[in-house]
Amino acid sequence: ETGVTQTPRHLVMGMTNKKSLKCEQHLGHNAMYWYKQSAKKPLELMFVYSLEERVENNSVPSRFSPECPNSSHLFLHLHTLQPEDSALYLCASSQREGAYEQYFGPGTRLTVT
Amino acid sequence: AQTVTQSQPEMSVQEAETVTLSCTYDTSENNYYLFWYKQPPSRQMILVIRQEAYKQQNATENRFSVNFQKAAKSFSLKISDSQLGDTAMYFCAFMKRWNNAGNMLTFGGGTRLMVKP
Repeated sequence: ETGVTQTPRHLVMGMTNKKSLKCEQHLGHNAMYWYKQSAKKPLELMFVYSLEERVENNSVPSRFSPECPNSSHLFLHLHTLQPEDSALYLCASSQREGAYEQYFGPGTRLTVT
Repeated sequence: AQTVTQSQPEMSVQEAETVTLSCTYDTSENNYYLFWYKQPPSRQMILVIRQEAYKQQNATENRFSVNFQKAAKSFSLKISDSQLGDTAMYFCAFMKRWNNAGNMLTFGGGTRLMVKP
């Protein structure tokens, strides 16, 4: 039922590792988003890409690096993370024009050890 | 900046009964949109209902309806005839009028709803 997929679904990484999260949307949308969902906080918008250009970066630490090579794919590159970065990372997509809702992927559960 | 507040961290309801989830928001915008999203234990976030601020009529989607009070900046969700499958986290979200930067949502903290048999 979902047109947004995310891989991997679970990831455990050490603080010195480098890993990447992948998101793919099959809905023909032209805007994509990364959110962080922690247990104690509301969903936090991390990055917005509109027509493959980054338009929002909500003061996210540089250890998170997004990449949007085309309108269907979005990556989140991770390096030298901290334990407090452990969270559920959600990807979403939408049409950028008009008040269209965002469609979410299932998320990647990230644990930093 | 917009803020969205959900004052009920957890709620429970008996199957087949009605429950109302509260949401208030703060904004200086006049044109905006409000959403309720549902996140079941499987974690897939899905849209439940949407309301345009310029519409006075409350949105309804089958068993789900909203009570939108623009002056009070209140946007509650009513679930009628609750079903076990309604058990989930419910998030209220605000979106100001779209722009070329995409549709950015501000979420509330969520309400965990449990439907009991």
